[in-house]
Amino acid sequence: EVQLVESGGGLVQPGGSLRLSCAGSGFTFSSYAMSWVRQVPGRGLEWVSATSGPGGSRYYADSVNGRFTISRDNSKNTLYLQMNSLRAEDTAVYYCAKSVGLTLYYYYMDVWGKGTTVTVSS
Amino acid sequence: EIVLTQSPGTLSLSPGERATLSCRASQSVSSNYLAWFQQKPGQAPRLLIYGASSRATGIPDRFSGSGSGTDFTLTISRLEPEDFAVYYCHQYGGSPYTFGQGTKLEIK
Repeated sequence: EVQLVESGGGLVQPGGSLRLSCAGSGFTFSSYAMSWVRQVPGRGLEWVSATSGPGGSRYYADSVNGRFTISRDNSKNTLYLQMNSLRAEDTAVYYCAKSVGLTLYYYYMDVWGKGTTVTVSS
Repeated sequence: EIVLTQSPGTLSLSPGERATLSCRASQSVSSNYLAWFQQKPGQAPRLLIYGASSRATGIPDRFSGSGSGTDFTLTISRLEPEDFAVYYCHQYGGSPYTFGQGTKLEIK
């Protein structure tokens, strides 16, 4: 069974940092692009970042570009999101999602984790 | 950026009725790279439709997608109690990925 499990969320002060992890199982992790998508409670979905299967290509939403860094360790089947200079508007549930292709565009996301909550507040 | 606008914001129907949800794009969605997701409270989104009209694995055939270019539709032919949820359209053909704001399907 394909499974994604996020971890690393929590409460952090504005300007602080946090690193999220997403452990994948049940599929060949390195063969698929992976994304982070967030959702403010009670609101819609916002794509945040993605990386290609090998990890050489990375993509970011304008809202996080320069503050967040996506990476992956294919030997550990794990995706990461390093979040720096956090703002109150970054407060959300963060989901990792698996793509059906090796690269980002033209491939949809078919499996999502249950999410991890990030709260940015003083 | 492709902006997706879903309508209506809330749809109130009864089990057994037909639901029609709309998603309109601000520009043409390349090769119909349009997906639909269902989300229930406290759960992750679940893929229903990809490529505008292809059902994902395990999705009942009462769910169907149609449309092309800038206008897309998700139809649920006969509503079951478990279908009441929020539905999002999503385009994956252009940078950046974008989602519609969602349609809440509620029991009348």
